[in-house]
Amino acid sequence: NAGVTQTPKFQVLKTGQSMTLQCAQDMNHEYMSWYRQDPGMGLRLIHYSVGAGITDQGEVPNGYNVSRSTTEDFPLRLLSAAPSQTSVYFCASTRDSLNYGYTFGSGTRLTVV
Amino acid sequence: GDSVTQMEGPVTLSEEAFLTINCTYTATGYPSLFWYVQYPGEGLQLLLKATKADDKGSNKGFEATYRKETTSFHLEKGSVQVSDSAVYFCALPTHDYKLSFGAGTTVTVRA
Repeated sequence: NAGVTQTPKFQVLKTGQSMTLQCAQDMNHEYMSWYRQDPGMGLRLIHYSVGAGITDQGEVPNGYNVSRSTTEDFPLRLLSAAPSQTSVYFCASTRDSLNYGYTFGSGTRLTVV
Repeated sequence: GDSVTQMEGPVTLSEEAFLTINCTYTATGYPSLFWYVQYPGEGLQLLLKATKADDKGSNKGFEATYRKETTSFHLEKGSVQVSDSAVYFCALPTHDYKLSFGAGTTVTVRA
């Protein structure tokens, strides 16, 4: 089925470890984004991309890196995990950021201990 | 900046009750407006949308009308089911490629 695929679904990291959250979409969408969802904080934009080779920072980019080498993939890298990065992470994509709404992945639940 | 304000809840209803979740927006111009739904343990799904004033979005028995005179996009369903228990988010897209979300409204429907 077409959509946004995120892996892994669950992950536990130790403080200071690094990891990459994977995101892939098969809808040929130009726009992709990463959000984190925290209780009481809602959804906050981490990084976004408007096409292959183009990325930019969102509201809460510190501690995260992204790259967009292909239209399909938009991985999120945690450089040195901190307990404050414990969250649920969602990847999303759309063909038109203003009119079509985003398709979201099922999320990665990350715990940093 | 452009934003939405959403009734927070939580809301608890009995099956077949009428549901309304209020959402108002602040924006320059007339952006598209969206309602998303998040079922327990899942990602957000686009429930319905409206792209211009007076448009009515509808899906799965839910409706919302884009009203520019009251800057509102309230979500309604005439007869809820247990399966409608979820968190509902109002959202609008901003010109910096972000979705501005409301705080979310948790709806619980009891049999």
